[in-house]
Amino acid sequence: EPEVTQTPSHQVTQMGQEVILRCVPISNHLYFYWYRQILGQKVEFLVSFYNNEISEKSEIFDDQFSVERPDGSNFTLKIRSTKLEDSAMYFCARWEESGAGYTFGSGTRLTVV
Amino acid sequence: SQQGEEDPQALSIQEGENATMNCSYKTSINNLQWYRQNSGRGLVHLILIRSNEREKHSGRLRVTLDTSKKSSSLLITASRAADTASYFCATAPGGSNYKLTFGKGTLLTVNP
Repeated sequence: EPEVTQTPSHQVTQMGQEVILRCVPISNHLYFYWYRQILGQKVEFLVSFYNNEISEKSEIFDDQFSVERPDGSNFTLKIRSTKLEDSAMYFCARWEESGAGYTFGSGTRLTVV
Repeated sequence: SQQGEEDPQALSIQEGENATMNCSYKTSINNLQWYRQNSGRGLVHLILIRSNEREKHSGRLRVTLDTSKKSSSLLITASRAADTASYFCATAPGGSNYKLTFGKGTLLTVNP
């Protein structure tokens, strides 16, 4: 199975700017997720995506966030107007249908200045 | 304690020793997973144990699950310096979403 890769590995953005985080490639899995980890804190669930629809989202995932699977292989997380507190590592993940757990991407470190 | 909370928060041992990390959780689960994270890097899946399993092995890793006590332990035997990392437990609820709730992690340092 191919690994889950994320781009960019690090992004610095001005507060209020839009950012798009990408997760590539993803194979023919049904369940995809975004998680984030603020420095020194626990990994937090943001949103789950099943069959091209959001199946569950957390309180963190407000109107500033959106997810898409634009072309069947990429999986994106968009933050429309970034805040300082959005600075974190963002991980995408897929659930392995074999039941072997998740495969996480390498993460994107987002720094909002 | 919160769902998926590990202890100790930090553990420092010598190479060759065994390391034991514990995880407690509050609600019912479908499975519990352990992940490893090297500093500033991604999460690596180590092992998954289902709610109807009590013990599982994978190489130098041994995981136990006690659903009556809502707790799990991860044992790393014959530790190596390369095992230095943060270790997280994560619980998945019943149903089909498989959303994970992570603990804060245990920082393991293995001294050569």
